[in-house]
Amino acid sequence: EVQMVESGGGLVKPGGSLRLSCTASGFTFSNAWMNWVRQAPGKGLEWVGRIKSKYDGGTTDYPEHVKDRFIVSRDDSKNTAYLQVNSLRTEDTAVYYCATGDVMDIWGKGTTVTVSS
Amino acid sequence: EIVLTQSPDFQSVTPKQKVTITCRASQTIGTSLHWYQQKPDQSPKLLIRYASQSFSGVPSRFSGSGSGTDFTLTINSLEAEDAATYYCHQTSSFRTFGQGTKVEIK
Repeated sequence: EVQMVESGGGLVKPGGSLRLSCTASGFTFSNAWMNWVRQAPGKGLEWVGRIKSKYDGGTTDYPEHVKDRFIVSRDDSKNTAYLQVNSLRTEDTAVYYCATGDVMDIWGKGTTVTVSS
Repeated sequence: EIVLTQSPDFQSVTPKQKVTITCRASQTIGTSLHWYQQKPDQSPKLLIRYASQSFSGVPSRFSGSGSGTDFTLTINSLEAEDAATYYCHQTSSFRTFGQGTKVEIK
């Protein structure tokens, strides 16, 4: 069964950092492009970053408004993708999902990040 | 950034009714448009990829159409379990989502 499990969320003060993890199983992780999408409370979906497979260059892409603060990486030996989120703001409070594929066909259940003093 | 605008924002529908949700892109995106369903407290689920291709396991009452800038998700004969928020999503240039359409069952 294809599965992805996010972890690493929690309560953090403004200006702080977190590293979120997404551990996958049930498919060949090294071939997969991995995305991160967030959803603020009561709001819609927002794409925040992607990393291609190493076979496709391993490059990352971000929307303009997070590209200086968010970093996506991967460790294929651990079947895990990461999202490093820095200089956190209250508006970064959200559920963070990982999703696999160029078209995001399989999603994890998400991990919650709360930014508050 | 490509902006996706869905309409309507909200729709209240009786069971067995047909539902149509539209998604308009701010510039042409070919058929790089996908549809997701999200139920409360659940992660999104892919319904339709590349405008009209049904994803594995999705009921046949869900269908998609369109190309260029105008796209449609149709739910034929709505069932109670289809109460959810539906999002369109483009992969032509970076990635963006529409604002969502909430479908409520009367």
